[in-house]
Amino acid sequence: DIQMTQSPSTLSASVGDRVTITCRASQSISSWLAWYQQKPGKAPNLLMFDASTLQSGVPSRFSGSGSGTEFTLTISSLQPGDFATYYCQQYKSYPYTFGQGTKLEIK
Amino acid sequence: QVQLVQSGAEVKKPGASVKLSCKASGYTFTKYYMHWLRQAPGQGLEWMGIINPSGDSTIYAETLQGRVTMSRDTSTSTVYMELSSLRSEDTAVYYCARPYFNDGVFYGWFDFWGQGTLVTVSS
Repeated sequence: DIQMTQSPSTLSASVGDRVTITCRASQSISSWLAWYQQKPGKAPNLLMFDASTLQSGVPSRFSGSGSGTEFTLTISSLQPGDFATYYCQQYKSYPYTFGQGTKLEIK
Repeated sequence: QVQLVQSGAEVKKPGASVKLSCKASGYTFTKYYMHWLRQAPGQGLEWMGIINPSGDSTIYAETLQGRVTMSRDTSTSTVYMELSSLRSEDTAVYYCARPYFNDGVFYGWFDFWGQGTLVTVSS
């Protein structure tokens, strides 16, 4: 199975900050990576696919980059609604696997 | 609009089975695969498996092999996931999720999710 590791596990930031979350794969997954945002008690919401393609309707302050084994999700200027938990997911091969999540907290 | 509506919360004893449903609407049900995932309390997401549009092919996570069965009913546009021999570690929110589909090709990300069903396994 492909292991996905996110860092940091928790990130404290303020509204207006620029933040970056990293996701590393245990083997190359090319660009077969998605990012999701999850708020408490809700299902995950797709932000990005193919590592850097923004899902329709997602604000442009979200961006993704990377290929192979290292990927990043950047939020350019945090808004109040962005405080949530973020997950990366590889879809190169079954079983699809997720990072353990990064909780973005208000500082 | 696309909707995936899941069945209600369940409480089960260890050793029992549970069968969850996911009713789809707003799209052509018979064209799409469906995945099931779960999330234990305070934990990350775990992929459980996938069922094909006709319901005659499935792929399950190896960790659940022998305990999970996915099925679908095209007459009601509903997908089912049954998990047997329940253990306390199976306590989780279970999600159905639809993969993106375009130009005859399915992709690996999930663009629509059900609202989740909490399954609690406790004696």
